Amino acid sequence: AQTVTQSQPEMSVQEAETVTLSCTYDTSESDYYLFWYKQPPSRQMILVIRQEAYKQQNATENRFSVNFQKAAKSFSLKISDSQLGDAAMYFCAYRSEDYGGSQGNLIFGKGTKLSVKP
Amino acid sequence: NAGVMQNPRHLVRRRGQEARLRCSPMKGHSHVYWYRQLPEEGLKFMVYLQKENIIDESGMPKERFSAEFPKEGPSILRIQQVVRGDSAAYFCASSRSLTGDGYTFGSGTRLTVV
Repeated sequence: AQTVTQSQPEMSVQEAETVTLSCTYDTSESDYYLFWYKQPPSRQMILVIRQEAYKQQNATENRFSVNFQKAAKSFSLKISDSQLGDAAMYFCAYRSEDYGGSQGNLIFGKGTKLSVKP
Repeated sequence: NAGVMQNPRHLVRRRGQEARLRCSPMKGHSHVYWYRQLPEEGLKFMVYLQKENIIDESGMPKERFSAEFPKEGPSILRIQQVVRGDSAAYFCASSRSLTGDGYTFGSGTRLTVV
């Protein structure tokens, strides 16, 4: 079974600085998707960024980028120029491409609480 | 284009009562997933439904929990005879198809059992 591990329960960053959140996962599959979701105090789950495992190029979305290391099964999120609105829980998630098995459900890590200091 | 709508946002039930949580997927989305989030935890998959069919309920507790997604109307997650351990946030997500796109999540229903 696949697992997702986020080893940093809490992180803190100064406004305008850069922070990296760690995520590792375990799978025997070769094709899958990885995601980072943001959950602010409003509880809404917001998709931040996604990565297809077959793509070597790291995904980027404005100030958010990932460092995807397939061999190491690592998928870290880098937030540049941190803003106060970035403060939230961040969840790493895995999704199999084998729809006959998992049926496409997401497997989440336990999350990292990010604080942004003004 | 409304997102995934969940209601109620907050639900308080006494032990032994029934809880009904509703989820209306995004327009055009026929795949619905329910997840549960316990305090200080990530989301855990419960059940995957398409219209009128339960596709995968491997994450659902064997007793007291059921889900449906009728031809007309919202998807319903039903918890019978609630216990304190059922207190959690319940999220619904929908997608258009089984591609690798991230789903669209609702804002969740926080169930408190007193």
